[in-house]
Amino acid sequence: ELKVEQNPLFLSMQEGKNYTIYCNYSTTSDRLYWYRQDPGKSLESLFVLLSNGAVKQEGRLMASLDTKARLSTLHITAAVHDLSATYFCAVEAQKLVFGQGTRLTINP
Amino acid sequence: DSGVTQTPKHLITATGQRVTLRCSPRSGDLSVYWYQQSLDQGLQFLIQYYNGEERAKGNILERFSAQQFPDLHSELNLSSLELGDSALYFCASSRSGDSGANVLTFGAGSRLTVL
Repeated sequence: ELKVEQNPLFLSMQEGKNYTIYCNYSTTSDRLYWYRQDPGKSLESLFVLLSNGAVKQEGRLMASLDTKARLSTLHITAAVHDLSATYFCAVEAQKLVFGQGTRLTINP
Repeated sequence: DSGVTQTPKHLITATGQRVTLRCSPRSGDLSVYWYQQSLDQGLQFLIQYYNGEERAKGNILERFSAQQFPDLHSELNLSSLELGDSALYFCASSRSGDSGANVLTFGAGSRLTVL
């Protein structure tokens, strides 16, 4: 059964700092997605990564995929308060399985 | 507004009761997915339908059932409710069944509280 694990699960950081969220998964897949969820809200798609070595960037967020290592990373550069949210990775292998989510809090 | 409509937004009921959650997918989307989000279990995949047919099944309890109708809307039926069924239930939709990028668009969710 496909397992998707994120770490850390909780992350508190200061504005202006850089950090990385890791997403490991247990079976072969070349489709990985990142979503964002604000408190009390729905999930919003951030990135779609469809091949080994894929890299996508949007503003201060950059996502990458290494299918051989079964690892994706979400890198945050010079964090700002607006990026505070819970971030989920999701891996597709017959069904879309989500990680536990990383609750990111960015403090001024 | 994501284009995926879920009703009701909030629902409070008692143990042993039965409820129906409804979802209208985004225009043009053929796949509908149901997820359960709770604090201790995270986001759990329940079931997927594609153009009226069941496509994939996850950790859906026997007390739960779902269907997708010819107009593509979907309903999730939860029966013999228990306290542990209290959660946020999300519906999502996508265009494709299983090929190509399958980006899900989520609805706002239905928050179920079982007392």
